[in-house]
Amino acid sequence: GNSVTQMEGPVTLSEEAFLTINCTYTATGYPSLFWYVQYPGEGLQLLLKATKADDKGSNKGFEATYRKETTSFHLEKGSVQVSDSAVYFCALSDSNYQLIWGAGTKLIIKP
Amino acid sequence: DTEVTQTPKHLVMGMTNKKSLKCEQHMGHRAMYWYKQKAKKPPELMFVYSYEKLSINESVPSRFSPECPNSSLLNLHLHALQPEDSALYLCASSQDRGVKTNEKLFFGSGTQLSVL
Repeated sequence: GNSVTQMEGPVTLSEEAFLTINCTYTATGYPSLFWYVQYPGEGLQLLLKATKADDKGSNKGFEATYRKETTSFHLEKGSVQVSDSAVYFCALSDSNYQLIWGAGTKLIIKP
Repeated sequence: DTEVTQTPKHLVMGMTNKKSLKCEQHMGHRAMYWYKQKAKKPPELMFVYSYEKLSINESVPSRFSPECPNSSLLNLHLHALQPEDSALYLCASSQDRGVKTNEKLFFGSGTQLSVL
């Protein structure tokens, strides 16, 4: 069945460091891929998405590229800020129009 | 208005109580969702309403009863809950239900429920 695997957290970085959060997926067909972010005490917000192979999603300095050959959608940011501290979820949409979620990766940025 | 509003933000209830969670959106979205999220876990889909009709029930126990009075409102009625039902309950909406519409779900901030 379809599934999403994310790197385990927490990931702890210093401000202005480079960020990578790994996400790989297993799916039949051509799913759309998403990164959602959940700040403390809040609901989830769509951060970025990609709907086909080689698409790059980007928002707020974050980027992720849909790599079909490696079935990956890694999240990157060149210089993180304390305000980026949150839990990040990778997800895909399956043929039944449902979101399949990764386990989430907690990111902690220290000043 | 691009918000999904959930009330209350926090709720503590006993196992014999009856309570309701409320969700409201004014974006003209025709699909609305209830999710349950345990701490440090991803959200789990409970119910999906599409055009005010229940389209998905993910085998949720009958002590959870959803209701969609109109296209802007979604309720979750709670009765005889168990302590293990304590969690963050998230409401979400999307333009429609389908592959295209799963491109963006708008989430509320959730109701943090504690069952004693």
